[in-house]
This record gives sequence, structure tokens and C-alpha cells, in this order.
Amino acid sequence: DGGITQSPKYLFRKEGQNVTLSCEQNLNHDAMYWYRQDPGQGLRLIYYSQIVNDFQKGDIAEGYSVSREKKESFPLTVTSAQKNPTAFYLCASSALSYNEQFFGPGTRLTVL
Amino acid sequence: EDQVTQSPEALRLQEGESSSLNCSYTVSGLRGLFWYRQDPGKGPEFLFTLYSAGEEKEKERLKATLTKKESFLHITAPKPEDSATYLCAVQAAQGAQKLVFGQGTRLTINP
Repeated sequence: DGGITQSPKYLFRKEGQNVTLSCEQNLNHDAMYWYRQDPGQGLRLIYYSQIVNDFQKGDIAEGYSVSREKKESFPLTVTSAQKNPTAFYLCASSALSYNEQFFGPGTRLTVL
Repeated sequence: EDQVTQSPEALRLQEGESSSLNCSYTVSGLRGLFWYRQDPGKGPEFLFTLYSAGEEKEKERLKATLTKKESFLHITAPKPEDSATYLCAVQAAQGAQKLVFGQGTRLTINP
């Protein structure tokens, strides 16, 4: 089955630590995205990538970093510079010839 | 700046009671408007894409419509399993394929 996988489902981090969230897709999509969702707020774009080895900052990129070494993978690192990292993180992908984005199941990150 | 506002924030209906959710938007040229359904603790599930004013799309008990300033998601004779948060997003015609999301409408259908 084609789809998007994210791991882990739950992640706990101590203050000052970097953590990496995994996102893999087997839909052969060119574009991939990372969003953050906080209670009562819409999804906010962190980073996106339209081709391998290229990515752009979204609206709230500070404190985050990404890489896109393979078409299938787009990991997100939440660094210690991110002041309020506790949130639900969603990865999405889309084919460049279509506009719809399809989402993974999400990773809930909690800072202890 | 592109913006999306959804109303109401929350809506509680009885099973079988039809209603509509609103999505108002401002965007510098619309490429597409998207509706998603999100269950608690899960990723959004794609429902519809609308591209131009006057367009309508249907899926089971849901029908989405689009005007130049807003979109409606009509739900007809809803069932408890339709309970979810419904998200609206727009994509501008210029620039990258970014989606701008509204804050969502939390829909609860009581049996």
C-alpha cells in the first residue's frame, strides 16, 4: 500500500536536546512538507522541499532543520533553539502535477 | 497575506440534522481550496479540491461548494461517525505549493 509513515508516534525530549522526526513516503511524490499543529490553531508550515537536495523555509522555520537526500525521505530535526517545541508534527507529500497534499499519521513531541 | 477563517469553531448536531460549515478566505489568486477531515490524534484525511467559483463536489453525506470569497461544506443527515475536525486550506496561484490552513471546525454528531 502506498502512503506516508512517520516515526515515532510519541516522542519525549528533555530541554536542551535535539531530536529527529522521521517521514517516509512511497507515493513517488516530488514534494514533501512539515507542519506543526497546536491546539486550537491551524497547521503551520515549517519547511518544504520540491526536489531532492533542495528545501525552503516555511512560516515558522526557526529552531528546526531538515534534509532531503532521498526522494522518499524528509526528516525534521527539532533543535534546542526551538523555544516551544511541544506540539503535534505532521508530514505531507504531493505530486508536483497535482495540488493535493496527503498527510502522515503525525508525531506528538513533548518536552519534559 | 493569504488568510483562512473557519466558522463556527465548534458545532454540535443531532444525528440526521443537516448543517453547513463555512470557510472564508483571502488569497492573491486562488489555485485551489482544499477540505480535510481530521480525527483526534491522527493526520488530516483529504476530502475535496475546488478550483473555481461555482464548482461543487460530493462524497457520501458531504458536499463542498465554492464562491469567490468562501467555501461551504454541507453535511446532510450526518451520522456519529462524521464527528471530526474539518479543516479548510487555500493554495495561492503564485509561488510554491504552500497551503494556508484555517483553524478548523470541530463537529460532533450526537446519536
